[in-house]
Amino acid sequence: NAGVMQNPRHLVRRRGQEARLRCSPMKGHSHVYWYRQLPEEGLKFMVYLQKENIIDESGMPKERFSAEFPKEGPSILRIQQVVRGDSAAYFCASSPQELNTEAFFGQGTRLTVV
Amino acid sequence: AQKVTQAQTEISVVEKEDVTLDCVYETRDTTYYLFWYKQPPSGELVFLIRRNSFDEQNEISGRYSWNFQKSTSSFNFTITASQVVDSAVYFCALRPGNAGGTSYGKLTFGQGTILTVHP
Repeated sequence: NAGVMQNPRHLVRRRGQEARLRCSPMKGHSHVYWYRQLPEEGLKFMVYLQKENIIDESGMPKERFSAEFPKEGPSILRIQQVVRGDSAAYFCASSPQELNTEAFFGQGTRLTVV
Repeated sequence: AQKVTQAQTEISVVEKEDVTLDCVYETRDTTYYLFWYKQPPSGELVFLIRRNSFDEQNEISGRYSWNFQKSTSSFNFTITASQVVDSAVYFCALRPGNAGGTSYGKLTFGQGTILTVHP
């Protein structure tokens, strides 16, 4: 049973470009969470999604950031018109439908904006 | 609102020393879970422990031990006889015990403590 898979592991974008980060949850998991880790900081919650639904996006910046988790395929975190301040590690976690089961984290995508 | 504070930004020890990482939390929830994660230089997050707010028993796992004290809202982590491979950033985290039965992955993290173990 493969773990949470994130790709790419490293992503370099120039200012103004778009960044797409992918997260494939563990098999059987229908809940996905995205976190951002700015340099030398802890992880901050961004968004919580279930299949085809955004449940909680209270941690998402209001502009340029969006997330989706389609019925088929991975969850995507999309950052439009990236700026240097978007450089960070982005982690995805997934959990199953059953209650009281912990989320498992992927290895993260390190985004560098140059 | 929930908050996790790890007051120690960096700790440096020599191999075989014992080291304790502090974690203090704030929550209004009566039921909650506390976690410790390790982030080695490779960058991934490694789950170490989860503790229920109703269970104040200390836990030991090999060289690792955790001291949960609800009265002081602390969940400290001790590494006995530290090794170079223990060098990493360690995060304490908190989540509600029952967030409508859905948000089991929504954690509040502390800032992390950088532990460096010198040979």
